[in-house]
Amino acid sequence: GAVVSQHPSWVICKSGTSVKIECRSLDFQATTMFWYRQFPKQSLMLMATSNEGSKATYEQGVEKDKFLINHASLTLSTLTVTSAHPEDSSFYICSARGLAANTGELFFGEGSRLTVL
Amino acid sequence: QKEVEQDPGPLSVPEGAIVSLNCTYSNSAFQYFMWYRQYSRKGPELLMYTYSSGNKEDGRFTAQVDKSSKYISLFIRDSQPSDSATYLCAMSARTGRRALTFGSGTRLQVQP
Repeated sequence: GAVVSQHPSWVICKSGTSVKIECRSLDFQATTMFWYRQFPKQSLMLMATSNEGSKATYEQGVEKDKFLINHASLTLSTLTVTSAHPEDSSFYICSARGLAANTGELFFGEGSRLTVL
Repeated sequence: QKEVEQDPGPLSVPEGAIVSLNCTYSNSAFQYFMWYRQYSRKGPELLMYTYSSGNKEDGRFTAQVDKSSKYISLFIRDSQPSDSATYLCAMSARTGRRALTFGSGTRLQVQP
């Protein structure tokens, strides 16, 4: 299957700092990428949808000024958690859908575990 | 009521057993149905993908979709300890953003 790479896989930061997470599609061009958040023992909750070259669409309740999403190319999307607080500690996962994918298939990255002290 | 309902388990079975995992949903617009496997501290891995109704088989895994009942299933034959993971059902509509809506996941433990 298609490969989606996320980096870093885990990060620990101090409260008030900003953290950037990268999501790359390695063997296909991703017109659309999705960012999810997963709390322990819970399912994935969609945060936002990003399309290459346009502004991201955020789900209700997700602060767009806090979770900055950039999808500058067909292979890279970034999520920046600004002024992180302990309640932002979570597992962040990106997924991507390719150009030719007129199906529902989505491929996921390995996830990035954020711990805010 | 959640759009997708899935029993969280945990489900514990002996090695070699047939495992049945299920989800129900309420949104009749859902056309794409997927099953993901997620190991602890890892991202979800796509196992099976089905469009609309019907069955699909891949090795030890069989996915079934019954749109009339809004019910999907994943069967695992000859279960192995390595199958121990959380299994997430996910679905999306055919139009629009087509973002996935996930079930809460069922934790499966296969005992050797």
